Parts: sequence; C-alpha cells; structure tokens
Amino acid sequence: EPEVTQTPSHQVTQMGQEVILRCVPISNHLYFYWYRQILGQKVEFLVSFYNNEISEKSEIFDDQFSVERPDGSNFTLKIRSTKLEDSAMYFCASSEDEEGDRSNQPQHFGDGTRLSIL
Amino acid sequence: AQTVTQSQPEMSVQEAETVTLSCTYDTSESDYYLFWYKQPPSRQMILVIRQEAYKQQNATENRFSVNFQKAAKSFSLKISDSQLGDAAMYFCAYRRSPAQKLVFGQGTRLTINP
Repeated sequence: EPEVTQTPSHQVTQMGQEVILRCVPISNHLYFYWYRQILGQKVEFLVSFYNNEISEKSEIFDDQFSVERPDGSNFTLKIRSTKLEDSAMYFCASSEDEEGDRSNQPQHFGDGTRLSIL
Repeated sequence: AQTVTQSQPEMSVQEAETVTLSCTYDTSESDYYLFWYKQPPSRQMILVIRQEAYKQQNATENRFSVNFQKAAKSFSLKISDSQLGDAAMYFCAYRRSPAQKLVFGQGTRLTINP
C-alpha cells in the first residue's frame, strides 16, 4: 500500500538555525498538510497546500514557516530561525480529496519527524 | 470555530473485553466528516474508522464501530474483543468538508490489561 514518507525521522538543531523537514506524499494525492504535536499534547494543524499554493494556514504558521513543493514528489516544511518551542513531532499528510467529493477520502499520515531544538 | 472534546484522558480495559471512547464536537455545519485515529507508542497516526455526517448508519471496521449521534454531536468509538495491540493514544478528529484540515481532540490513552 502506498505510504507517505518523511525524512529525517529525528532532527536535532541548535536554536536559531534553519531546518527543512521533507515529505514525499502519495503520488496521486492532491492535497498536502503539515501538522505538529508537542509532546503530550494534541495534534495541531499548521498548513494545507493545493495546486502549488497554500490553501489554509493556522495562527501557528507565522513568517518563520514556509512550505514548498520543489518538484513533482517532495513537499517540504522550512522553519527559518528555530525556537525552543518549535520542538515537536511534525507530521506530513496527504489526501486525494477533491472539493465537493463526498466520498470522504482520509488523510494519510507519515511516520513523523521528531524535531528537537537545543 | 469547530472544537473536538475527548473527556477521558485515560481508559483501561481487560483483554478481550469491550471499551467505549467518548468524543463530542461543536459545529454549526450540517454536513461534515468524523474520524478516529490511533497513535501507538511509535507515534504513527493510523486511521481506525471514518463517518460521514450525512450517513445515518454507524460505521464499522471489524472490531471497531462508532456510535454517531448527530443531534447530540457525539461520536464514540467502541472496541470489541480488545487486544494488546490496541493499546495506543486514540484521537477523534473532525473536518468540515473534503480537502479541509483535521481538527483533533486531546486524545484518550487506552491501556489493555492482560
């Protein structure tokens, strides 16, 4: 079964450094998402991406964050200047939904990247 | 804004018994979609079951079933014949329409006692 893959599985970075988290969504999927989960807390939405542009973003997704689909397969999340509070598990997800499609295609999640800011 | 509430931070059940995890949500929409995801210690997010609000019939997937009460905005998960591998964090999630973000509850940690 096709999977969403994320690399690296664990990233350790000094505060203030830039970090790029990488994701390869399932190939025929159209919508891509980033979520984060601070240890012991619930999963929070960061951003959704469709047709090469952001379709929605949360209050968490400030100017320090950006997303990109540099080629036909990768989907990246960049944090420009990391803070201690950025330490979390970051999940990429994708779905083959279409607006108006009521078939309720689920979002498929990758295994996550654990980001540790020192 | 839509919210999802899981009022049980932790639950435990004996192996082979049945357990029900609660979830309520708040929305002004009449059409929406609900999900239960499982997160084992490995921290993957695994889809357990899904329900469309326009369907009256409760979804079932093998040992997993839901009790969807639209008027009460309640979406509970029942796990029958609990197995040790069911031990995980369970998250209830809502989305307003296809291709929209998921809104998650706080999670319920399920322990299975042998």
